[in-house]
Amino acid sequence: EPEVTQTPSHQVTQMGQEVILRCVPISNHLYFYWYRQILGQKVEFLVSFYNNEISEKSEIFDDQFSVERPDGSNFTLKIRSTKLEDSAMYFCASSDGRNSAPHNEQFFGPGTRLTVL
Amino acid sequence: AQKVTQAQTEISVVEKEDVTLDCVYETRDTTYYLFWYKQPPSGELVFLIRRNSFDEQNEISGRYSWNFQKSTSSFNFTITASQVVDSAVYFCALTLGGGISNFGNEKLTFGTGTRLTIIP
Repeated sequence: EPEVTQTPSHQVTQMGQEVILRCVPISNHLYFYWYRQILGQKVEFLVSFYNNEISEKSEIFDDQFSVERPDGSNFTLKIRSTKLEDSAMYFCASSDGRNSAPHNEQFFGPGTRLTVL
Repeated sequence: AQKVTQAQTEISVVEKEDVTLDCVYETRDTTYYLFWYKQPPSGELVFLIRRNSFDEQNEISGRYSWNFQKSTSSFNFTITASQVVDSAVYFCALTLGGGISNFGNEKLTFGTGTRLTIIP
């Protein structure tokens, strides 16, 4: 069964460093998302991406964040200068987005745990 | 803006008891989808169910059942004869359905989750 994959599973970085979190969405999906979950808290939407551009972003997704689909398979989240409060689990998700259903079902990857020291 | 409220932060029950997790949502849209996800200690998000706003039929899947009531904006989740493996955090979530040109690009709005502990 196709699945969303994410690498690395755990990333430790120093404050101020740049990190890139990688995701491989399900191959025929059209919509891609990043969500964040600070430890013990709820899952929060960061950004959605369609047709090579951002379709929606939350207040959390400030200028320190960027997303890219550099080739036909990868979808990346870059944090330019990490802060302590960026420590969280980051989930990538993808959805088909077509009328054929399952409509609006987002398939989640296993997450990348980012620890900023 | 949409909102999902899970008032129960933590619930503990003894194994084999039934337990209901509450979810109340807010949206002004008439077309929307409701979800439940399970997050076990390993951290991944496991999809459990999706329900659209036009389908108020209750659903049963094995020991799991869901009660969707638009009149009270609730989408509650019941586990019957609970087992230790059911111990997890459970999230209720909402996404808008959009119009005919708006498929699959709506963000999920999650509740704060309910931590369920099943005591052996």
